[in-house]
Amino acid sequence: KNQVEQSPQSLIILEGKNCTLQCNYTVSPFSNLRWYKQDTGRGPVSLTIMTFSENTKSNGRYTATLDADTKQSSLHITASQLSDSASYICVARGGNTPLVFGKGTRLSVIA
Amino acid sequence: DARVTQTPRDKVTEMGQEVTMRCQPILGHNTVFWYRQTMMQGLELLAYFRNRAPLDDSGMPKDRFSAEMPDATLATLKIQPSEPRDSAVYFCASGLSRVGGRDTQYFGPGTRLTVL
Repeated sequence: KNQVEQSPQSLIILEGKNCTLQCNYTVSPFSNLRWYKQDTGRGPVSLTIMTFSENTKSNGRYTATLDADTKQSSLHITASQLSDSASYICVARGGNTPLVFGKGTRLSVIA
Repeated sequence: DARVTQTPRDKVTEMGQEVTMRCQPILGHNTVFWYRQTMMQGLELLAYFRNRAPLDDSGMPKDRFSAEMPDATLATLKIQPSEPRDSAVYFCASGLSRVGGRDTQYFGPGTRLTVL
């Protein structure tokens, strides 16, 4: 069954600290993996898209990694800011499926 | 600054009523997606169009939901009759289909539906 599991469900960190969010997926055949940021009351916004041949991709303070062998991805946020408070959603795309969504990690950055 | 627009932003209705949600994709995009988001289930794909043709609506309850693209600038999602369990935020997203499926999807602000 195609599915995406994310951990932790929620996370609270102090402003300026780093954090890493985890994603495990079982999508076959695998095409690409995406991370989205969703602010409260808004639609998701794409952060990164990686295919199986890409190990890492950065977007500013966000760095995503992908291990296609273990079917794991992580999103690392460096020097967190209050504006990073949001839900982060991991999404896997298979060859025959549009997109399979994880339920997200709710990140709260506090001063 | 091109954006996906959705109307209405909020809708409260009574059980049994028809609900129509509208989406204007970004001009030039050839794919349109409808999603439903709830706290329990997260984001779920309901329907997917490419070049206005429906490619996948397997996530949509067929007996009450219907999705159409009457033209390239308008996508609609209709629920008839609506039920309380349909209460959710409905997102529309559009994108430009690329080889390898690396199209970035741009989401609209969503329609928050409450069925009483």
